[in-house]
Amino acid sequence: NAGVTQTPKFRVLKTGQSMTLLCAQDMNHEYMYWYRQDPGMGLRLIHYSVGEGTTAKGEVPDGYNVSRLKKQNFLLGLESAAPSQTSVYFCASSYPGTMANYGYTFGSGTRLTVV
Amino acid sequence: GQNIDQPTEMTATEGAIVQINCTYQTSGFNGLFWYQQHAGEAPTFLSYNVLDGLEEKGRFSSFLSRSKGYSYLLLKELQMKDSASYLCAVRNGTNAGKSTFGDGTTLTVKP
Repeated sequence: NAGVTQTPKFRVLKTGQSMTLLCAQDMNHEYMYWYRQDPGMGLRLIHYSVGEGTTAKGEVPDGYNVSRLKKQNFLLGLESAAPSQTSVYFCASSYPGTMANYGYTFGSGTRLTVV
Repeated sequence: GQNIDQPTEMTATEGAIVQINCTYQTSGFNGLFWYQQHAGEAPTFLSYNVLDGLEEKGRFSSFLSRSKGYSYLLLKELQMKDSASYLCAVRNGTNAGKSTFGDGTTLTVKP
């Protein structure tokens, strides 16, 4: 099984451009999350979803939008990229309830630079 | 809100034992996770604690004290490959399974 797959792995954007990051999981997980990781600041939650067709804001949602039209996919959009959005973006998924005790499965990350 | 504190860096010798501490303050608690993250890679799940006490899994053990808001990850018989960042994460009390992460502890294992 592939687990959690993120595309693209690397991207350079100019300020003001838009893009979509794709996350796909084949583990039938209900929950999916987008985090960003900046040097020395740990992982911060951007948006999350508890099931197909549902999304919610996390800790740092401004400048991002998400969609979960299919259970296996969770898309993260940057509407108008800013240099402050330069970061490594991780998608994660997990089971609900007690099965969530097995923790997140993470994708390999997308390294985004906004110039 | 949630506040999670871990030491920024630690150094230990191959073959030794190291303990990485994590303290947290949270408005709701539904479990604590430890993840390992090698440089340039994604985090991977190590352990989970929701009740007080010690959970042992091979060379790694994790301890939780809910009353003290404290956890530690114990790594025994250190190997060079254990050089990585170790992330403490607290899951809040909702059903969304959301976790808040500490900034991570970078462990360097020296020969």
